[in-house]
Amino acid sequence: EAQVTQNPRYLITVTGKKLTVTCSQNMNHEYMSWYRQDPGLGLRQIYYSMNVEVTDKGDVPEGYKVSRKEKRNFPLILESPSPNQTSLYFCASSSVPGIGYTFGSGTRLTVV
Amino acid sequence: TQLLEQSPQFLSIQEGENLTVYCNSSSVFSSLQWYRQEPGEGPVLLVTVVTGGEVKKLKRLTFQFGDARKDSSLHITAAQPGDTGLYLCAGVDGSSNTGKLIFGQGTTLQVKP
Repeated sequence: EAQVTQNPRYLITVTGKKLTVTCSQNMNHEYMSWYRQDPGLGLRQIYYSMNVEVTDKGDVPEGYKVSRKEKRNFPLILESPSPNQTSLYFCASSSVPGIGYTFGSGTRLTVV
Repeated sequence: TQLLEQSPQFLSIQEGENLTVYCNSSSVFSSLQWYRQEPGEGPVLLVTVVTGGEVKKLKRLTFQFGDARKDSSLHITAAQPGDTGLYLCAGVDGSSNTGKLIFGQGTTLQVKP
C-alpha cells in the first residue's frame, strides 16, 4: 500500500530535550515536505526537499532541522524543543512539486 | 503573502441537504487542491484543479476552479453523515518552484442523520 509513515504518533517531551520525528514514504517520490497544523493558523510549511540532499526552508523553519540522505526518508529534528512547538505535525510527499500530495497520519507533539 | 480564505468555517446540516464551501484569494494559483481530513488523520487528497473554469465531479462532490484561478468552490449534493469532516482547500504557489501549498483555514462539516 502506498503510504507515508510517521513515527511516533504521539510524543510528550520536556523543553530542551532533542527529538526526531521520522517520516518514510514507499512511493519513490522525489518531493517531501513537513507541515505543522495549529488551531486558527491552519497548516504551514516548515521545510521541504526536492530530492536527496536538497532541502530548503518553508514558512516557519525556526527551531527545526531536516535531512534527506535517502529518497524515502525525511526526518524532522527539534534540537531544543520549546512549548511553542507543541503542535500536530504532518509529513507529505509527491512525485512532482505541486501535484497531489500524500500525507502521513500525523505526529501530535506536546512540549512541557 | 498569499492567503486563502475559506468559508464558512463551520457548517452543521441535516442529511440530504446541499452545501457549498468557498475558497477565495487575491492571488493566482497554478493549481488548487481540495483535501478532507478526519480527526486523528492526515489530509486526504480529493481533487486537483488546474485550468481556470475547470469543473470536476467526484460522485456527489463538484469542484470548480475560478476563471482567473483565484478562487474555488466545493459543492456537495445530498450530504450524508459519512461526509462529516474537515475540508481544506490548498493552492500551489505558482510564483516559485517550491511546491508549497497555501492552505485555507478549513471548513468543519457536520452532517446529522
